[in-house]
Amino acid sequence: GNSVTQMEGPVTLSEEAFLTINCTYTATGYPSLFWYVQYPGEGLQLLLKATKADDKGSNKGFEATYRKETTSFHLEKGSVQVSDSAVYFCALNWQAGTALIFGKGTTLSVSS
Amino acid sequence: DTAVSQTPKYLVTQMGNDKSIKCEQNLGHDTMYWYKQDSKKFLKIMFSYNNKELIINETVPNRFSPKSPDKAHLNLHINSLELGDSAVYFCASSRDGHEKLFFGSGTQLSVL
Repeated sequence: GNSVTQMEGPVTLSEEAFLTINCTYTATGYPSLFWYVQYPGEGLQLLLKATKADDKGSNKGFEATYRKETTSFHLEKGSVQVSDSAVYFCALNWQAGTALIFGKGTTLSVSS
Repeated sequence: DTAVSQTPKYLVTQMGNDKSIKCEQNLGHDTMYWYKQDSKKFLKIMFSYNNKELIINETVPNRFSPKSPDKAHLNLHINSLELGDSAVYFCASSRDGHEKLFFGSGTQLSVL
């Protein structure tokens, strides 16, 4: 079936460190891929997305590239800030009319 | 104005009780969802409605009954609450059913 696998957290970094959160997927056909972020006490917000192979989604300094050959959509940021502390969810949508399938989330904690 | 609002934010109740969570979106979206987030942050789809019509109904006990009086509202009624129902419940909406989701801030349900 369709699924998303994320690296286990928590990820703990110092401010200005480089961030990578791994995400791989299993899906029928050519899904759209997403990263959502959940700040403490809030609902999820779309961070970035990519809809086809080799597309790069980017927002707020975060980037992820849709790699069909490795079925991956890893999230990266060159220099994290304390305000980036949140839970990050990788997700896919494999067909219109179906709900997003989320990974289990990765908690990021950034200290100054 | 809040795009997706759900009430109450916190709900503490006894086992066996019946409770409802309300959700409203003012974005003009056609599709609304209920997701359940467990204590480990795992997010799972429960229901999805498109223009008041149920389109996704995952394996959820029939104690859970969604109701959509119009396309701007999707309420969740839960009968005979159990300890395992304790979680954060998120309402969400989207314009075309599979792209960007807008989430409410969640309802934390605690069953004692």
